[in-house]
Amino acid sequence: DSGVTQTPKHLITATGQRVTLRCSPRSGDLSVYWYQQSLDQGLQFLIQYYNGEERAKGNILERFSAQQFPDLHSELNLSSLELGDSALYFCASSPREGSGRYNEQFFGPGTRLTVL
Amino acid sequence: GQQVMQIPQYQHVQEGEDFTTYCNSSTTLSNIQWYKQRPGGHPVFLIQLVKSGEVKKQKRLTFQFGEAKKNSSLHITATQTTDVGTYFCAGDPGNTGKLIFGQGTTLQVKP
Repeated sequence: DSGVTQTPKHLITATGQRVTLRCSPRSGDLSVYWYQQSLDQGLQFLIQYYNGEERAKGNILERFSAQQFPDLHSELNLSSLELGDSALYFCASSPREGSGRYNEQFFGPGTRLTVL
Repeated sequence: GQQVMQIPQYQHVQEGEDFTTYCNSSTTLSNIQWYKQRPGGHPVFLIQLVKSGEVKKQKRLTFQFGEAKKNSSLHITATQTTDVGTYFCAGDPGNTGKLIFGQGTTLQVKP
């Protein structure tokens, strides 16, 4: 158990719908990362937040958005869902800057999204 | 764009044999990390390499970072069935935490 929690574990929805995935980082971690894992694309970095602010952006579609709240939990919003959005979505957190372990990422169990 | 290539994609070995997976980045990396993902699980951090030519060992696992900081390898000596899983390298070009993952090498170990 990494200490990172994600809800829900599974999500089944229809094309065109909107869903929200939730992540709580490990206690004390300020960074949250979102990844998409699919069979054909592998693990793709989507976005990173640090202490509430967007820090880095990867291959995140415009239909997707994320935010990190004052209590440090994060939400990933996926809208106008397409069949190709079906994937495992992982959240990861890492220790605060200056801790010496800032780059180590601890992954949550993931949310499996199925778009029908 | 920046890419990290990892080979082989799959490796089947007999228990007790050695195993190596290789990563090659299209750009110089600030650091490279290795993760292991068991079937049905999530990636688990193994190690981070930062220095040019760095070699680190964890029991039967040996990690190397190339002199040019563009390639890396993971070698497992005398594999065990508990080593089964997919091993990913992840490069960080700008030391920002924005990782570029390789495609992973899936290791199967026959008892």
